[in-house]
Amino acid sequence: SQQGEEDPQALSIQEGENATMNCSYKTSINNLQWYRQNSGRGLVHLILIRSNEREKHSGRLRVTLDTSKKSSSLLITASRAADTASYFCAAFMGTSYGKLTFGQGTILTVHP
Amino acid sequence: NAGVTQTPKFQVLKTGQSMTLQCAQDMNHNSMYWYRQDPGMGLRLIYYSASEGTTDKGEVPNGYNVSRLNKREFSLRLESAAPSQTSVYFCASSGRTGPTDTQYFGPGTRLTVL
Repeated sequence: SQQGEEDPQALSIQEGENATMNCSYKTSINNLQWYRQNSGRGLVHLILIRSNEREKHSGRLRVTLDTSKKSSSLLITASRAADTASYFCAAFMGTSYGKLTFGQGTILTVHP
Repeated sequence: NAGVTQTPKFQVLKTGQSMTLQCAQDMNHNSMYWYRQDPGMGLRLIYYSASEGTTDKGEVPNGYNVSRLNKREFSLRLESAAPSQTSVYFCASSGRTGPTDTQYFGPGTRLTVL
């Protein structure tokens, strides 16, 4: 089964609004990463948050991590039509090998 | 730098045919990965290679084989394709297998098995 479960599966908003996507996972993690995928393209890394961090910012992105609830959220502020994409969380477990376990993704549509 | 490249971009096979998906990276990365992406399933790891000369199974290895030809190239082979292997295949690489390492993805190969 997938380590990361994402919610909602799809999100439709207007330009300028904020978009929040949530991710839950089942076991202890070393870090949690968020990736973006434009239609028909490969994934692009957005941000990584370590298990000992609670919040991290990168431009218009804000990621939070609650290890007690085994959940993370990605907030995109002041969304733009160009933010339309699928967003995936990926949990990194273990310490010495680079295996990420991906969630099923949230499809974000931002209407101009 | 091209990053991670994959060939072919599209492929249609008949059940039982074989083929090899090619992947190359020019970032001098040690680790390489093969994933498949199915609708509503996210990405699932097929095989990975932590470093040149080593390969290991991921979550869904059955029906696939891999070769880490050299540091740059990591190929995925389907010996006898089945309709259940219809999917989009992504290759990725990372500098290390450490926990803080970002993975860089290729553009994908869309495979249909009839």
